[in-house]
Amino acid sequence: DGGITQSPKYLFRKEGQNVTLSCEQNLNHDAMYWYRQDPGQGLRLIYYSQIVNDFQKGDIAEGYSVSREKKESFPLTVTSAQKNPTAFYLCASSARTEAFFGQGTRLTVV
Amino acid sequence: RKEVEQDPGPFNVPEGATVAFNCTYSNSASQSFFWYRQDCRKEPKLLMSVYSSGNEDGRFTAQLNRASQYISLLIRDSKLSDSATYLCVVNGDSSNTGKLIFGQGTTLQVKP
Repeated sequence: DGGITQSPKYLFRKEGQNVTLSCEQNLNHDAMYWYRQDPGQGLRLIYYSQIVNDFQKGDIAEGYSVSREKKESFPLTVTSAQKNPTAFYLCASSARTEAFFGQGTRLTVV
Repeated sequence: RKEVEQDPGPFNVPEGATVAFNCTYSNSASQSFFWYRQDCRKEPKLLMSVYSSGNEDGRFTAQLNRASQYISLLIRDSKLSDSATYLCVVNGDSSNTGKLIFGQGTTLQVKP
């Protein structure tokens, strides 16, 4: 089945450690996105990529990094510079129309 | 001003009621508009796209007003299962190549 897969679903990390969230899609979509959602809040754009080997910062890119070496993959690294990383992270892909989401990764930093 | 604004609610309505949500956007060059539904602790899922001519899908009707830069969602005959958060989404890029911007979401609670 075609879709977008995020892993892991739950992730616990110690403060000060970098962590990488995986996002893979087999929908042949050019555009991919990372959003962060905090409890009771909307989605805020971290990074997005419209084509392989290119990506742009969203509204809250500080403390995060991404790569887009393959069309199918858009991993997000949460670095130690991110002051408040505990959140629900959502990856999406789009063919310039509506976006399709993965199931999300809940990151908890202790 | 936020790029996409919604009243967060919550909207508490009885079963069978009609409820309407509005969403305003700031970029007049935006090309694509959508409503998504998000259930608690789940990922958002597309409810419907919004077209200039307006569109209807069963009990749901979406409208776009480009002159006033807002979109709306009307839900008729509300069901308990309609309880969720409804997200307004705008393609904020004038060249329509990406950067989907989400509103904060409007929470709907349908009561028996």
